[in-house]
Amino acid sequence: DAKTTQPTSMDCAEGRAANLPCNHSTISGNEYVYWYRQIHSQGPQYIIHGLKNNETNEMASLIITEDRKSSTLILPHATLRDTAVYYCIVRATGGGADGLTFGKGTHLIIQP
Amino acid sequence: EAGVVQSPRYKIIEKKQPVAFWCNPISGHNTLYWYLQNLGQGPELLIRYENEEAVDDSQLPKDRFSAERLKGVDSTLKIQPAELGDSAVYLCASSLESGLAGGFADTQYFGPGTRLTVL
Repeated sequence: DAKTTQPTSMDCAEGRAANLPCNHSTISGNEYVYWYRQIHSQGPQYIIHGLKNNETNEMASLIITEDRKSSTLILPHATLRDTAVYYCIVRATGGGADGLTFGKGTHLIIQP
Repeated sequence: EAGVVQSPRYKIIEKKQPVAFWCNPISGHNTLYWYLQNLGQGPELLIRYENEEAVDDSQLPKDRFSAERLKGVDSTLKIQPAELGDSAVYLCASSLESGLAGGFADTQYFGPGTRLTVL
């Protein structure tokens, strides 16, 4: 799987949109971009994934650049409960796919 | 729908003692993963099962770690003997992989983990 680069930490005010960037310049054509987050003392939680089109669900939006070399996870109205480590992961599709390769992620701190 | 269940949540043992972790995946999920997470780091894959077969155990330290997934459902990860450096969180995850070439690799769902402290 391709590697990703994320900022170590970010702050965001409660109620504002949190925009988390991720670089994945070596992504392959068959690799999806996944986002997980991990709240303190819990296991990682799936947020969203995409291939090349922008995606939105009840938790977040995912914006992928046209060249697919970077993406942004958007939490539209951040709350204190969104404080967590956010991981951007690229993963190939297909049967027998490997486990997820996590980096260190971005520690997002939502300020009251 | 119940999520991935792990037990115990916390375990404290002395070095050289054995320890075992148990995982019950989401019903119907054929693929099960064990990950190790050290403090301040992201999880790292130890072993992956497809049904009852271990298809990727390249990162599992086989001198002291072992795992099994009887009947392709629950799984147990064991360490014997434990060392100080094994103190970490052990995470279990499951997914429903299509098993088809070119098929879509489904989302992994994680349990809460077992925090192991070796004294």
